Amino acid sequence: NAGVTQTPKFQVLKTGQSMTLQCAQDMNHEYMSWYRQDPGMGLRLIHYSVGAGITDQGEVPNGYNVSRSTTEDFPLRLLSAAPSQTSVYFCASSYTRLAAYNEQFFGPGTRLTVL
Amino acid sequence: SQKIEQNSEALNIQEGKTATLTCNYTNYSPAYLQWYRQDPGRGPVFLLLIRENEKEKRKERLKVTFDTTLKQSLFHITASQPADSATYLCAPRHYGQNFVFGPGTRLSVLP
Repeated sequence: NAGVTQTPKFQVLKTGQSMTLQCAQDMNHEYMSWYRQDPGMGLRLIHYSVGAGITDQGEVPNGYNVSRSTTEDFPLRLLSAAPSQTSVYFCASSYTRLAAYNEQFFGPGTRLTVL
Repeated sequence: SQKIEQNSEALNIQEGKTATLTCNYTNYSPAYLQWYRQDPGRGPVFLLLIRENEKEKRKERLKVTFDTTLKQSLFHITASQPADSATYLCAPRHYGQNFVFGPGTRLSVLP
């Protein structure tokens, strides 16, 4: 199993550009989520999905879109990049959100810089 | 609103000593509490969890306690080694809720 994979690992954008961060998991997990991690702020939830075709907003959703057409893939789209979106982005998955004992598996992260 | 605090942003200890990290939460009634380790440039990795009705859980050199009255979990690393240097995150969990993580404590074990 590859676990959770993310691409790209690094990205530099100019303000106003759009891009998609890719995330895939091969563990047949229902629950997938995107976080951003900033110094002193910890992990903050952007969007999440509890299954194919179902997505919802987290704590900091503005400026981001997601879709979940398959169980495996959960891409994150930046619509019009802003310097405030400079951060490290992590995708994570878990078997289900319902069971509080299920741990999350994280991808390696994408370091995004917006100039 | 739910709030999670971890005792300090950074903790330095000498090799061989026991490191103790604290996780406090408010406006929560977690059924479980999970601990993760994060190395620089990597995603967090799950270490262990403890249930609300368990007072203590051990895994090798790791020990976790959970006091639902104090709304606190303590994470201990005994006989610490430089390889234990990392950031440690706690995540109180309840059924059907999204994961919420504490800000983390950066542990440095000095040789």
